[in-house]
Amino acid sequence: QQQVKQSPQSLIVQKGGISIINCAYENTAFDYFPWYQQFPGKGPALLIAIRPDVSEKKEGRFTISFNKSAKQFSLHIMDSQPGDSATYFCAAIFNQAGTALIFGKGTTLSVSS
Amino acid sequence: NAGVTQTPKFQVLKTGQSMTLQCAQDMNHNSMYWYRQDPGMGLRLIYYSASEGTTDKGEVPNGYNVSRLNKREFSLRLESAAPSQTSVYFCASSEAHTSRLKTQYFGPGTRLLVL
Repeated sequence: QQQVKQSPQSLIVQKGGISIINCAYENTAFDYFPWYQQFPGKGPALLIAIRPDVSEKKEGRFTISFNKSAKQFSLHIMDSQPGDSATYFCAAIFNQAGTALIFGKGTTLSVSS
Repeated sequence: NAGVTQTPKFQVLKTGQSMTLQCAQDMNHNSMYWYRQDPGMGLRLIYYSASEGTTDKGEVPNGYNVSRLNKREFSLRLESAAPSQTSVYFCASSEAHTSRLKTQYFGPGTRLLVL
């Protein structure tokens, strides 16, 4: 049972454009939603995260938009650069002892110059 | 701080061989995790250890065993490797159980090829 659905699977954006990756979740018990960035040959690294009581969080060119009623959240990368080319994973966490992150299946972003 | 370290970086096994993947963290984190990553499948949790002395199965535990040796170290063992276990394995750690502190920090991965 996939509890976090991520789309698209792959994305090609021109340099300077906006990259948008979407995630949807099913379980309303999730209460923390991080995004991870993974470069080829490396482990995933935390990029930005949001709690469901906030509708938007921005860090530099990266913004998370959160829609609690629709159970959806998205990552926006403004002014996309070739260095942003990576795989992005959304994730969700229960606020319950002993549970772990649940990841989406990932989006491979290519930013063309 | 080295963060999360994994050894080996790359390994080739023959079907039926056994091996142990090592993971260590120097962030004094309580929780540690093992994932496998396969193309198009994302990151799938194999086992995790919420705290020292405890381990629990994740989504895909069959064919694997784990040992939380101490607070720093969490190893993953393949007793009889199969070609289906060809994958990239990531170890991760997190500080504590509350949601914000469950943010995980990943190691560089171990690439395993089973022939």
